Order: sequence, then C-alpha cells, then structure tokens
Amino acid sequence: SQQGEEDPQALSIQEGENATMNCSYKTSINNLQWYRQNSGRGLVHLILIRSNEREKHSGRLRVTLDTSKKSSSLLITASRAADTASYFCATALMNRDDKIIFGKGTRLHILP
Amino acid sequence: EPEVTQTPSHQVTQMGQEVILRCVPISNHLYFYWYRQILGQKVEFLVSFYNNEISEKSEIFDDQFSVERPDGSNFTLKIRSTKLEDSAMYFCASSYRDSPLFGSGTRLTVV
Repeated sequence: SQQGEEDPQALSIQEGENATMNCSYKTSINNLQWYRQNSGRGLVHLILIRSNEREKHSGRLRVTLDTSKKSSSLLITASRAADTASYFCATALMNRDDKIIFGKGTRLHILP
Repeated sequence: EPEVTQTPSHQVTQMGQEVILRCVPISNHLYFYWYRQILGQKVEFLVSFYNNEISEKSEIFDDQFSVERPDGSNFTLKIRSTKLEDSAMYFCASSYRDSPLFGSGTRLTVV
C-alpha cells in the first residue's frame, strides 16, 4: 500500500449522522494532517496531529492517531450538507518537514 | 487571515508551449511547495523549496519543470514544453514549519 491510504474510498451518510474516515500509512511520521477539498477547488487544512499526540479536536472534527498501528481516523460529528467533499490525509515523514504525501482521499456525500 | 494566492485560476495552453504558474506564498513562511492533481486522482508532490533552493523533488519533476523565487515574494513553476498529460490542477503551498497552507490552485489545460 502507499504512504497514506484512506478508507473507505467513498462514503454516503444521512445529514446529522457521524462520518468516520480512516487513514493508514507505512513509514514513521512526524505529523499527520487532514485536508478537505470541495469538487474542483483548493485544499483546506483541517487539523494537524503530531506523532506524540493521540487525539485532537476542532469543532465537530475529532482526529485520532495510533502510531503503533500506523493509522489515523477523522470523525465528523453531526454532519451537514456542506461537509460533502473529499477528505485527504497527508503525512509528513520523520525529520522531513519539507514534504507531505497525500492519500487518495475519501469522497464523502451527505444526503439530505 | 493570510492566504496563499495563485494566478491565474485557469490557463489554457497549446501543447509545446511554455507556461508559468504564479504563487504568492504567505510572507513569513520558509517552505514552499508545488503539488499537482490530475482530474479525479490524488494530490501529487512535485517539489519543495527552502532557503532559495530545491530541497526535494519527485520523479514527476523532470527537466521540463523549474521553480523560482525571483523577488522574495513570488514563487513560480515553469513548464518548458507542455504535454497533454500536464493538464491538471497545480497547487502552491507554503509553511513556516509544518501545516502547509494551500492556494486555491491553477487549472492548467493543455490542448
């Protein structure tokens, strides 16, 4: 698998439900970041979690990091139609702040 | 709130032509990046730039590509002789240390 793989590739849920997306990676990281991309638009930085952190919150977002399993999850609570987007995890390799590698992303669709 | 600015937002060019994509990173940032995203595919790293030189580049970043920070504020990506497969969204990003902030991208269409 590649450094940074999200699953599922696509997710459809009802508005108001929680959405969980996962990311797995291969090599040791300095930090892991989640980005959102609306269709055809730019990348919006959501949250960064460092390798010595286990959980982080930002509004309706909750990110966890398990370095022993080399995985992270992004939870969006009480989803809204505006959350419809692609979500990418991106990893910064250990001692390599000058490069982050993106996964293929999860396409999230919130159903009204 | 400071942001990374990219121009133009959309550029159409003929195959074989040179294009320059422009970016104005955030002023106190130290690291600068170019990424690209072919339609429907993942975001791919092209190059990073630190201390006025390339610090890392991917295998995509071949001799057709070059980057410059000509005046301390702009950061440009030049593609010397565009190919059809260069059609993509090109993102510039900058960071002080980590958490790169991305611009809204330039959609390059090579015809």
